[in-house]
Amino acid sequence: DTEVTQTPKHLVMGMTNKKSLKCEQHMGHRAMYWYKQKAKKPPELMFVYSYEKLSINESVPSRFSPECPNSSLLNLHLHALQPEDSALYLCASSQGLAGPTDTQYFGPGTRLTVL
Amino acid sequence: AQSVTQLDSHVSVSEGTPVLLRCNYSSSYSPSLFWYVQHPNKGLQLLLKYTSAATLVKGINGFEAEFKKSETSFHLTKPSAHMSDAAEYFCVVSDIGGGADGLTFGKGTHLIIQP
Repeated sequence: DTEVTQTPKHLVMGMTNKKSLKCEQHMGHRAMYWYKQKAKKPPELMFVYSYEKLSINESVPSRFSPECPNSSLLNLHLHALQPEDSALYLCASSQGLAGPTDTQYFGPGTRLTVL
Repeated sequence: AQSVTQLDSHVSVSEGTPVLLRCNYSSSYSPSLFWYVQHPNKGLQLLLKYTSAATLVKGINGFEAEFKKSETSFHLTKPSAHMSDAAEYFCVVSDIGGGADGLTFGKGTHLIIQP
């Protein structure tokens, strides 16, 4: 089973709202990732958690706040977003192996619209 | 440093004819290479991967790719296109850093299937 689930599928929020995106995997993977994808572009890495510790933060604005409560769950807390933050947010997980063979499996994404 | 070039931004083929999506890479190390497919408003699905075993890799849905080190290429092929193959395809390279730290995405190739 290579399934990563994400909720919600769609989210519309105002610039003053606080919301959260959720990602879950039950493959025993120890690395989890958040990506942002704009239309007709490849995904851009935002955050990496390795063994539940934040290992990479790609200079993402503080209005995005990741959280990894346990090895199966990854959240992305959103606050005071801008319209340009509207995008598809993808979660991925991998075994967390060192080296190039580590393979990432992606969830279906959350389509976020900021009004 | 590593890079990926997908040589065509759009490819159009007729249903039942062969598909060729081209990918060239550069890497200072022995890389792993991946092809992902993304249907509209969906997440990325792993089609196949090369991780230094057999150079001809078979994936899902009849796709395959051949790693050619001398040509630094990893082209994706399918003998007979199906309407359901219409999607965006990403070639991805991972080298010594592994995981997200070592991943580089190509810009994507949009595959159009003509009836």
